[in-house]
Order: sequence, then structure tokens, then C-alpha cells
Amino acid sequence: EPEVTQTPSHQVTQMGQEVILRCVPISNHLYFYWYRQILGQKVEFLVSFYNNEISEKSEIFDDQFSVERPDGSNFTLKIRSTKLEDSAMYFCASSSGEQYFGPGTRLTVT
Amino acid sequence: GQSLEQPSEVTAVEGAIVQINCTYQTSGFYGLSWYQQHDGGAPTFLSYNALDGLEETGRFSSFLSRSDSYGYLLLQELQMKDSASYFCAVRPLVTDKLIFGTGTRLQVFP
Repeated sequence: EPEVTQTPSHQVTQMGQEVILRCVPISNHLYFYWYRQILGQKVEFLVSFYNNEISEKSEIFDDQFSVERPDGSNFTLKIRSTKLEDSAMYFCASSSGEQYFGPGTRLTVT
Repeated sequence: GQSLEQPSEVTAVEGAIVQINCTYQTSGFYGLSWYQQHDGGAPTFLSYNALDGLEETGRFSSFLSRSDSYGYLLLQELQMKDSASYFCAVRPLVTDKLIFGTGTRLQVFP
């Protein structure tokens, strides 16, 4: 069964550093998303991406964040100048109807 | 805005039936989805109600009543592996994103 994959599974970074989280969506899906989940809280929408551009973003997704689909398979989330409060699980999802989530990247900012 | 409220925790014993409620305040949405999330894992799609009524998928059923702004997930013949967090979610009209509920942690005891 096709699935969304994400790398790395865990990323530790120092405050102020840049990180890139990577995702490979399900191959025939056209809509891609990033969500985050702070420990013990609900999943929150960050951004959606369709036809090589952002279709919607939340208030969380400020200038610190960017997304890119550099080739036909990868979908990345870049966080510039990370802050302590960016520590969370980051989930990628893809959709051709229902959204299917990847296993997540646990980002720890120290 | 959109908000979806769920009980924070539900407990039950193996073999029992449990209902997890979701009450929402939203201006309009395509349908109500349910996701399961084990500790440290990704949200996994369980069920979707586009229309009012009951949808059955094996041991899991989901119900939606738009007139009551209410839905629920029914889990039958509970197993230990059903211990997880369960989230309801809606996709607001004219958007791709999912808005998740507050989540319910289900603990199944022997």
C-alpha cells in the first residue's frame, strides 16, 4: 500500500539554526500539506501546496517557514532561524481525496 | 472560526463498546473525518461522513448530524490495540486544510 514517507524521523538543532524536513508524498497525489503537533496538543495546519504553489497557509506559517517541491517526488519544509517553540512533531500529508499522513519528524530545538 | 471539542479521555475494557463524541462550531464544511493516533505515531484515517447518518467500517462506525453540530465515533469489540488518541476533523468549505478536534485519549483495559 502506498504511503507518505518523511526524513529524518528525529532532528535536533540549536536555536537559530535552519532545518529542512523532507517528505515523499504518495505518487499520484496532487495536494500536499504540512501540519505540526506540539507534544500533548492537537494537530495544527501549517500550509497546503498544489500545482507548485502555496494554496493556503495558517497564521503559524510566517516568514520563518517555506515549502518547496524541488523535484517530482520530494516536498520540503524549511524553517529558518529555529526557535525553542518550534519544537514539535511535523507531519507531511498528501491527498487525492482523504489526507494520508506520514510518520512525522520530531524536531527538538535546544 | 472553527472549533471542535472532544472529551479529553475515555476508558473502557476489552470487548466493550465506546463512543467518542465531537461537537463543533463551524460555518460550513465538506465532511467529518476521524483519525487514530498511537503515541509517537502519525494520524491514521479511519472514517469519513460527508452526509448525515451512520457510516460503518468493520468494528468502527461514525455518525454525523449537521443539524445538531455533532458527530461520534463508535468502537465495538474493543481490543487493547485500540488504545490511542482519536481526533475528529473537518475540511472547511473552500479550503483544503483539515481542522482537528481537541482529541480523545482512549485507554482500553483487560
